[in-house]
Order: sequence, then structure tokens, then C-alpha cells
Amino acid sequence: DSGVTQTPKHLITATGQRVTLRCSPRSGDLSVYWYQQSLDQGLQFLIQYYNGEERAKGNILERFSAQQFPDLHSELNLSSLELGDSALYFCASSVDEGFADTQYFGPGTRLTVL
Amino acid sequence: GNSVTQMEGPVTLSEEAFLTINCTYTATGYPSLFWYVQYPGEGLQLLLKATKADDKGSNKGFEATYRKETTSFHLEKGSVQVSDSAVYFCALSLPKAGDMRFGAGTRLTVKP
Repeated sequence: DSGVTQTPKHLITATGQRVTLRCSPRSGDLSVYWYQQSLDQGLQFLIQYYNGEERAKGNILERFSAQQFPDLHSELNLSSLELGDSALYFCASSVDEGFADTQYFGPGTRLTVL
Repeated sequence: GNSVTQMEGPVTLSEEAFLTINCTYTATGYPSLFWYVQYPGEGLQLLLKATKADDKGSNKGFEATYRKETTSFHLEKGSVQVSDSAVYFCALSLPKAGDMRFGAGTRLTVKP
């Protein structure tokens, strides 16, 4: 158990819909990272927040957005969903903002878009 | 661009065999290098890392050395166990770029 929690574990929805994935980092960690893992694209970094502020952006689509709240939990919002958005979405956290810091991954949310 | 290439799997070994999973990288600047492991149904776990050239990361019998001259970070273990069966990801991060890049992953199966 990494100490990072993600909800829900599974999500099934239809094309065009909007969903919110939630992540609670390990106690004391200020950075939250979001990743997408799919069969065709592999594991891709989406976005990082540090202490409530966006710190780095990777291959995140404009239809996707994220935020980190004062209690440090984070949400990833996916809208206008397409079939290709079906993937495993991981959240990770680390103490500091540097990417060289050890990141602790949550168990993931499996999103299926029908 | 910045990228990681790792050997394609799947890799199947017998217990106590020697393991090597090759990883090479392309990066502008001086990346940190990582090996992550993903067990079935779980998230990734950091296995080891190295932040500068010639550093050796090691953990649970696994080792990898950051080789700047060959831009490589190959993962090795002298004697694998059935419990090592998992998918292994090589990754790099470039702090100033604020990015993390993963290889495609290599599935390892160890048979008793």
C-alpha cells in the first residue's frame, strides 16, 4: 500500500460524458501527478500540481483539466469523452516538486468509455 | 525529443536465472533515470533510481548503472524469483522541463 488513494476504482461511461477522478496523496506529500496508461500510448505523464499550483504539463488534452485543493487532494476532470480515452489513470504523489523525487503511485482508476 | 527505449518483451526466465532488461535514453540536458515495477492489478512502484552519471541504483537485488557515454540504464538481477514476475518500466525525468517519460514496459515472467 503506497498510501495514495484513488476513487473510483472503475468507471464505465458513454461517449460525450464528463467524469471526475479523485486522488488523495500520501500524508505530507505536496506534489500530485496524473498519468494515463493505455495499450496503444503506453504510460504518459499528464500534469503535475504542487501545493495547489500547476507545476508541469505533459500530454494532457484540452478536454482534460485538473486541480489540487487546499487539503492537497486532486481531481482530474475528463470531458467530452471519446472511446480512445479508455485507459487506466494513475495518480502519484511526492514530498517535493522535483521529478527526481520518489513518486508513490495509487492503484489507479480504470475508465471505460462505451 | 526526450525519450526512453527499452527492450521489448515478453521475457520468460526460469527461477534463479540472470536478468537483463536493456534501456537506452535520448535527452537534452542531464536526466534522472528510474526503473519502476508494476505488479498485476497494482500501480507502479519505484524500484531504483540514479540521478547522475556513473551512479548505481540498487534495490531488492536489482541494479542499474547510469551510463552517460552509452546513454543506457540497463536493469540487472543475478537470480530472479517467481515473485519478480511483473512489468518493468524504464523512465527519465528532466527537472527543468518538468516532464517524465516512460519506456513501453517489459513484461517479465519467471517460471519455477
